[in-house]
Amino acid sequence: QVQMQESGPGLVKPSQTLSLTCTVSGGSVNSGAYFWSWVRQHPGKGLEYIGYVYYSGSTYYNPSLKSRLTISIDTSKNQFSLKLSSVTAADTALYYCARGPFTSNRGWFNPWGQGTLVTVSS
Amino acid sequence: QPVLTQPPSASGTPGQRVTISCSGSGSNIGTNSVNWYQQLPGTAPKLLIAANARPSGVPDRFSGSKSGTSASLAISGLQSEDEADYYCATWDDSLNGVIFGGGTKLTVL
Repeated sequence: QVQMQESGPGLVKPSQTLSLTCTVSGGSVNSGAYFWSWVRQHPGKGLEYIGYVYYSGSTYYNPSLKSRLTISIDTSKNQFSLKLSSVTAADTALYYCARGPFTSNRGWFNPWGQGTLVTVSS
Repeated sequence: QPVLTQPPSASGTPGQRVTISCSGSGSNIGTNSVNWYQQLPGTAPKLLIAANARPSGVPDRFSGSKSGTSASLAISGLQSEDEADYYCATWDDSLNGVIFGGGTKLTVL
């Protein structure tokens, strides 16, 4: 079965770049059947969709984050990554990677990684 | 404010049937599949209902439905382990992106 695992620094200084990687096991990011996504959850709040990347490298970014966001994919490592620049305390959140969506159901995400907490603080 | 509106809380006693609503518009629920996620305390969200169908392993106590621009999640035979946050999600054609509801905290009394 497909499993997702986020990795990256848990503490980032304000104005710096937040970088996370999601490693996929039990399946291939190169399959073309799915997109590969990032979702975040501010402490005690709901889910916010960040964006996705396709095996071809094409992406979708949440307009509210687009100017600071880069999502990329490395099919040779079966990984995809998120970079969010110029972070502030408002970017402190639990960051999840997930498989999905797919073209016939664009709100479908399964499975999710366990999530990684990123705190923005000096 | 989330584009999809869910009640912030819901509750029921063991064995009861509970429904959670998700209200949207023609550009999202009205034209796209609705999915439901369960987030147990301290864990990642889990896909519960995908376009009114249950993924493998999800008990048949959970069911989803959609009518017009609203969707509902029903939980029958409520159990204590159902106490969690529930989110609806779909695509919005106007925003051209994925949207989540604000979430509903279900308490089993």
